[in-house]
Amino acid sequence: DVQLVESGGGLVQPGGSLRLSCTASGFIFSDYYMDWVRQAPGKGLEWVGRSRIMLDSYMTDYAASVKGRFTISRDDSKNSLYLQMNSLKTEDMAVYYCVREFYFHFDHWGQGTPVTVSS
Amino acid sequence: QSALTQPRSVSGSPGQSVTISCTGTSNDVGNYNYVSWYQHHPGKAPKLLIYDVNKRPSGVPYRFSGSKSGNTASLTISGLQAEDEADYYCCSAADTYTYVFGTETKVTVL
Repeated sequence: DVQLVESGGGLVQPGGSLRLSCTASGFIFSDYYMDWVRQAPGKGLEWVGRSRIMLDSYMTDYAASVKGRFTISRDDSKNSLYLQMNSLKTEDMAVYYCVREFYFHFDHWGQGTPVTVSS
Repeated sequence: QSALTQPRSVSGSPGQSVTISCTGTSNDVGNYNYVSWYQHHPGKAPKLLIYDVNKRPSGVPYRFSGSKSGNTASLTISGLQAEDEADYYCCSAADTYTYVFGTETKVTVL
């Protein structure tokens, strides 16, 4: 079974940094694009960004709202995806989901990890 | 990139059909046949219902169907069941290799 387990969420002050991790199992991690999607309190889902595979030079793509502040990376040897979040704002407060992308849709989601940005 | 527009809520009695619209632009829904739909029960992981406008993953009931016309995609739930009460989101590939989600629709089973 495909499993995606996020970790690293927590409380951080505005302007601070946080690194989220996602550990994958049940599939060949290196074969898939992997994404982060978030949901702020009382709001809908928002695509954050993606990490492509080695064949695509591990290129990354980001939503305009996080570009320049967030960095997505992956370690295929550890079946892990990461989200480095810098210069955090209150509007970044959300549950962050690790998601497997498969041909332009998201077929498996983790349970999410909450990030609180507050002083 | 603005969120795709969905109705805030739709409701229906068990057995009825409901349709959720998802309106975008020529930069997303209108330009790509990569519209997907997700069901989200709060506190759980979202679940893929429809991909590529109208394809159903294995295990998704036949009562869920998708379509698209121009800049608007639609999800229809035929034969509404109590367990269909949830939040629903559309999503479309968009220009510059990004994705955009819809604004959330709460489905209530009366």
